Amino acid sequence: KQEVTQIPAALSVPEGENLVLNCSFTDSAIYNLQWFRQDPGKGLTSLLLIQSSQREQTSGRLNASLDKSSGRSTLYIAASQPGDSATYLCAVRLETSGSRLTFGEGTQLTVNP
Amino acid sequence: EPEVTQTPSHQVTQMGQEVILRCVPISNHLYFYWYRQILGQKVEFLVSFYNNEISEKSEIFDDQFSVERPDGSNFTLKIRSTKLEDSAMYFCASTSWGPNQPQHFGDGTRLSIL
Repeated sequence: KQEVTQIPAALSVPEGENLVLNCSFTDSAIYNLQWFRQDPGKGLTSLLLIQSSQREQTSGRLNASLDKSSGRSTLYIAASQPGDSATYLCAVRLETSGSRLTFGEGTQLTVNP
Repeated sequence: EPEVTQTPSHQVTQMGQEVILRCVPISNHLYFYWYRQILGQKVEFLVSFYNNEISEKSEIFDDQFSVERPDGSNFTLKIRSTKLEDSAMYFCASTSWGPNQPQHFGDGTRLSIL
């Protein structure tokens, strides 16, 4: 059974700092991995999708990398801002489980002004 | 940017009652999903729907649950006889032409069972 783990569970940084969020998964037979942002009481906003054949994806200040063989992904946020404060979730789609996503517990990020 | 919309935002229901949660996926999307998130826990997959039928369901999605796409725009989740443990945030999601595309989520319906 696929397990997705995110470390750390919570992170607090000063504004302007570059930071890395980690996601690991136990079954490396994935189709893709998706990073989401979740604001309190809100839905999930898709940030980046990395296909299994890709090594990284970039969108603005965000860069996500994928090392499928080691079961790891990182989300790099450059020059963090208070508006980046949210919970960040990673989710994987397995090759053998249809199109369902399996989620990690999330990292709660606080960027202090 | 097109959005997935869900109604109501909050539903309070007595245990044992039926509840229907509604979703309007993004208009040209073909794959539809329901997930739930119990407070403080991970987001969990419930069911996926394509071409007017269930394509996959989890062990959570038992006989108390059903989904329907009654017309060209709505996608509903029905819980027949609600239990206390059904209290959660329920998210609808959709994907365009293939499941390798990103899933786009709505803001969720918070379901509270009393």
